[in-house]
Amino acid sequence: KAGVTQTPRYLIKTRGQQVTLSCSPISGHRSVSWYQQTPGQGLQFLFEYFSETQRNKGNFPGRFSGRQFSNSRSEMNVSTLELGDSALYLCASSRGGGGGETQYFGPGTRLLVL
Amino acid sequence: DQQVKQNSPSLSVQEGRISILNCDYTNSMFDYFLWYKKYPAEGPTFLISISSIKDKNEDGRFTVFLNKSAKHLSLHIVPSQPGDSAVYFCASRPPGSARQLTFGSGTQLTVLP
Repeated sequence: KAGVTQTPRYLIKTRGQQVTLSCSPISGHRSVSWYQQTPGQGLQFLFEYFSETQRNKGNFPGRFSGRQFSNSRSEMNVSTLELGDSALYLCASSRGGGGGETQYFGPGTRLLVL
Repeated sequence: DQQVKQNSPSLSVQEGRISILNCDYTNSMFDYFLWYKKYPAEGPTFLISISSIKDKNEDGRFTVFLNKSAKHLSLHIVPSQPGDSAVYFCASRPPGSARQLTFGSGTQLTVLP
């Protein structure tokens, strides 16, 4: 079974631009979560989508948004990029059911904002 | 406020010996705990998990111990191999449908040949 895939793997943008990152979950997984990893803040939760609805949101500004499509693929968008948005953005998928459940991560998208 | 803490940023162990990585948490509502391994420029790879109703879970060379009264969990790797060298993150999750994981800051494990 194919793992979580993320595109693009690397991205360079300039301040003020916007960016869209894509994530394809493991087949059969309906929950997609996004995380940001930076050297200073570590791994931080951005938001989670399940059945095309945002189910949970972390403590990030409104410039960070996302959506999920009917095939469970997800995109996240960052508008008005700031230098501090430079990070590794990770997507994780899980089945989305209740109880103990494991999230499986993709390889990430490395975003550099200049 | 760090709800999940990994107080050792690094650990070096000789090949064949035991590696013990530690993690403390403050939120007593967390009921599911996971360990991930991460190589540079890759996403975290799931290793092992434990539910709060258990105090031990084993999978091959990896064993996780949970001490709920101390709000402490540990990952034991026996025997350690050079390929185990990576950053190890513990993560915790509250009960319910939320998938939000709270991660520790990670421990860099180096297994020396």
